[in-house]
Formats: sequence, C-alpha cells, structure tokens
Amino acid sequence: EVQLVESGGGLVQPGRSLKFSCAASGFTFSDYAMAWVRQAPKKGLEWVATIIYDGSSTYYRDSVKGRFTISRDNAKSTLYLQMDSLRSEDTATYYCARLMYTTDYPYFDYWGQGVMVTVSS
Amino acid sequence: EIVLTQSPTTMAASPGEKVTLTCRASSSVSYMHWYQQKSGASPKLWIYDTSNRASGVPNRFSGSGSGTSYSLTISSMETEDAATYYCQQWSSNPFTFGSGTKLEIK
Repeated sequence: EVQLVESGGGLVQPGRSLKFSCAASGFTFSDYAMAWVRQAPKKGLEWVATIIYDGSSTYYRDSVKGRFTISRDNAKSTLYLQMDSLRSEDTATYYCARLMYTTDYPYFDYWGQGVMVTVSS
Repeated sequence: EIVLTQSPTTMAASPGEKVTLTCRASSSVSYMHWYQQKSGASPKLWIYDTSNRASGVPNRFSGSGSGTSYSLTISSMETEDAATYYCQQWSSNPFTFGSGTKLEIK
C-alpha cells in the first residue's frame, strides 16, 4: 500500500525558516517524481514544487523560487521541503504527492495527510 | 500560466440526480485530471487523463472533454459524493488547479 507521511510543520515567525519531510513507503521511491502541493485555509490547491526521480532537476512556482528548496533522499525514501524567508501568504497545509505519468501530462496519484504551516508573529 | 475556471462554484443535488461539473482552460490542454476532497481530508485522484476513473472510483463517475472544455459527470448523485472537486492540468508549466466546485447533497 502506497503511503506518504509528512512530519514537521507548525507555527513560525515571518522571515524564519522551516523544513519538513515526507516518508514514502509501499513503492519504489526512486522511480517517481514527487511534488509538494499546498492549500491555504479555506482555499484551493496550489502546486509548489516538483523534483524528478533522481533529484537532478527541480521546479518551483514563481512565488517560492529562491526561498523554498525541494530535495529527496532516495536511500531513505524521503522527500523534503526547506522553506526560508517565510511570509504570511505561505500559511497553508502542505501535501506531499507522487507524480504519475500515463501520458506526457502528469497528475498526482497519491497524497499524504498534509502538514500545517502557520506563518505569524 | 493556464488558468482553469470551474463552474459552478457551489451546487446542491438530490440523490439520484445527474450532475455535471465543468472546467474551462484559458488555453488548450491535452488532458484534464480531477480530484475529490472531502472536508478535513487530503485530495484523492478521481479521474485521470480526462476520462479514466482512478482505482475504487464508482462507475457513476465519468470524465470527458477536449481543448479548453472538460467536464466530470455523476450519472446518479449519492450522499457519499458530496465533496469539493478540483480539475488540474499540466500541458504547460506550471501545474495549475481550478478553484474547485463544492457539491452538496440536497
């Protein structure tokens, strides 16, 4: 059974940093691209970042470029998100998600339970 | 960035009623994917590659569309279908989602 379990998160002051992780199991982690998707309170879904299967390429939405870093440790089957220079607008639940390609147009086939990040003084 | 506009924003349907949710793209996309999210839970893949049901999705759900117009249809609404449904594309960077349709039971 595919499982994605996030940990970390919490309350952090604006301008500070936070790093959380997503432990994957039930599949060969190193075979899949992974992503972070966030959801602000009472709002819709917003893609944050993607990392390909071997970590050699990463992609970010414009609003987090230069502040967030997605990374992975395939030996530990773990995905990470390092968030620096946090802003109030980064307040959201962050989901780890697996990317699936059945065509050249991918989608997110498994999602973690989410981790809440609140940026507030 | 391709903007996805979902309609309606909110709707209520009676058990047994046919329901159609729409997702329109600001530019043509090759495939559309759909997710179901219930209150307090993570999103679940529901329809992928426009018309394929994800594992465990009842066959009363179907997806269709092409170009800039896509839809998710429930042939006969059931209580358990009450949720928010999001469409998603990746025909060009970045990934984008629609703002969701909240479907309630009447």
